[in-house]
Amino acid sequence: KNEVEQSPQNLTAQEGEFITINCSYSVGISALHWLQQHPGGGIVSLFMLSSGKKKHGRLIATINIQEKHSSLHITASHPRDSAVYICALIYGKLTFGQGTILTVHP
Amino acid sequence: DSGVTQTPKHLITATGQRVTLRCSPRSGDLSVYWYQQSLDQGLQFLIQYYNGEERAKGNILERFSAQQFPDLHSELNLSSLELGDSALYFCASSPSGRFPFNEQFFGPGTRLTVL
Repeated sequence: KNEVEQSPQNLTAQEGEFITINCSYSVGISALHWLQQHPGGGIVSLFMLSSGKKKHGRLIATINIQEKHSSLHITASHPRDSAVYICALIYGKLTFGQGTILTVHP
Repeated sequence: DSGVTQTPKHLITATGQRVTLRCSPRSGDLSVYWYQQSLDQGLQFLIQYYNGEERAKGNILERFSAQQFPDLHSELNLSSLELGDSALYFCASSPSGRFPFNEQFFGPGTRLTVL
């Protein structure tokens, strides 16, 4: 069984919709990282969090260490948010989820 | 633009060959990380160097090796290449060596195709 599972694998939305991407894991971690990979391949670090919630612009990340679950929310989604979103577990090493492919249509 | 540069952008080679991928970190960053992204395995951490010394090791094959030079640029050497080594190879950098508890800045990647 994979240590980290992301859902959904694929997500299609209309511009303006509220989006949630989930990351569930089965190991004890110190923190979790959310990354964004653009269609051209470039990777950007979005958040690193170990508890609670972090917000940056229209992006919000939450984590519940006890429930072993993290979510990434995008408010008022826009076509430029179309990308692959990857969570990564931090527990002495770094293990990546398989990613969620998000497509936002105008 | 993250400030991390990687060369070449694309590389096509044959099985059994050896290639070298190059990475220049952001100005002032002492740590360099290498990652492999393939269709079947996703993103995997390979290795980290901090100020010239190996700091952390991930799923790096014995056929692969890396080094970080005094000017802080890094090279990833891949030898005896196999079809399964075809992947995107990313380099990232960060100011500190506290892997994995730090924000990393990713380069654009090198796409390696082994025929």
